[in-house]
Amino acid sequence: DSGVTQTPKHLITATGQRVTLRCSPRSGDLSVYWYQQSLDQGLQFLIQYYNGEERAKGNILERFSAQQFPDLHSELNLSSLELGDSALYFCASRGGLTDTQYFGPGTRLTVL
Amino acid sequence: AQKITQTQPGMFVQEKEAVTLDCTYDTSDQSYGLFWYKQPSSGEMIFLIYQGSYDEQNATEGRYSLNFQKARKSANLVISASQLGDSAMYFCAMREDYFGNEKLTFGTGTRLTIIP
Repeated sequence: DSGVTQTPKHLITATGQRVTLRCSPRSGDLSVYWYQQSLDQGLQFLIQYYNGEERAKGNILERFSAQQFPDLHSELNLSSLELGDSALYFCASRGGLTDTQYFGPGTRLTVL
Repeated sequence: AQKITQTQPGMFVQEKEAVTLDCTYDTSDQSYGLFWYKQPSSGEMIFLIYQGSYDEQNATEGRYSLNFQKARKSANLVISASQLGDSAMYFCAMREDYFGNEKLTFGTGTRLTIIP
């Protein structure tokens, strides 16, 4: 158990809908990262937050947005969903004294 | 060019044998970190081992060791005395230490199957 929690574990929705994925980092970790794992793109970095502020952006679509709240949990919002958004979405967190990003169990999103 | 290359899509290894999973990387940065993660069929990403570019000793964590050859830009994972529970996907990843960057770039993975 990495100490990172993600909810829900599975999500099935329809095209055009909007969903919110939630992540709670390890206790005390200020950095949160979101990654997408899909069959065609592999594992790709989406976005990073540090202590509530956006720190870096990767290959994140404009339809996707994220935020980190004062209690350090983070949410990834996906809107106008398309079939191609079906993927495993991971959250990871890192503390200041380690180089390692610890991953949560992931949320498997299926868009029908 | 791919930043992380894993050339073995799949490997089959007899139980109790040692196995080496290959990883080469491409960066012009002097400072970077290399990671290996394991992804079992259940889907979670489990951190295995880390090597910093300035670390002189190869990293070891229990049955895992990282064979770091800086000049060749390779960071192979060695698993000693393989077990059935080692069957999983294994991903090599790199973090380049330029300003503002903390993202991990992953390879395409190697699927390891341990045969009893």
